[in-house]
Amino acid sequence: DSGVTQTPKHLITATGQRVTLRCSPRSGDLSVYWYQQSLDQGLQFLIQYYNGEERAKGNILERFSAQQFPDLHSELNLSSLELGDSALYFCASSVAYGETYGYTFGSGTRLTVV
Amino acid sequence: DAKTTQPPSMDCAEGRAANLPCNHSTISGNEYVYWYRQIHSQGPQYIIHGLKNNETNEMASLIITEDRKSSTLILPHATLRDTAVYYCIVREGGSNYKLTFGKGTLLTVNP
Repeated sequence: DSGVTQTPKHLITATGQRVTLRCSPRSGDLSVYWYQQSLDQGLQFLIQYYNGEERAKGNILERFSAQQFPDLHSELNLSSLELGDSALYFCASSVAYGETYGYTFGSGTRLTVV
Repeated sequence: DAKTTQPPSMDCAEGRAANLPCNHSTISGNEYVYWYRQIHSQGPQYIIHGLKNNETNEMASLIITEDRKSSTLILPHATLRDTAVYYCIVREGGSNYKLTFGKGTLLTVNP
């Protein structure tokens, strides 16, 4: 157990629907990062939050949004889902931002859009 | 972030040392070298990182060449559970953000 908790572990939904993925960072970590991993794209950085504020954006679609709440958990909202959104979604956390040690990843949410 | 080049796959015999190379010829002076691994669709796992000096922890050793243009991750006694994709990443220290993952090296440890 890495200390980063992601729920649900698996999610199957239909095209056009909206889902919410949840991430609880390790105790004491203030930064949360979201990554998408599909078969043909590898691990792609989506977005980072630090203590409730967005800090960096990567290849995140406009149909996707995220936020970090006062208790530091984060949610990734995916809407108008398409078949191509099927992927593993990972959350990672770190104490702050800018430090040089590694991030801790959760075990991921596997999203299947049918 | 500087780009890295890794072989797509490597094999290693169980109990032997696994030496995974990484080229990062365009690395800048303030960029660190990180290694992560991902075991079959699990979340990536941090292994080790370094700037200039060689580093060792309970998992592995990291050897960085003097010109910093390449590095080698060494798993001293590979086990079957070390079969994974290993990612070499360079990232600026003190920056706020993302690790950029490439395709990595699939290390297969054989019995």
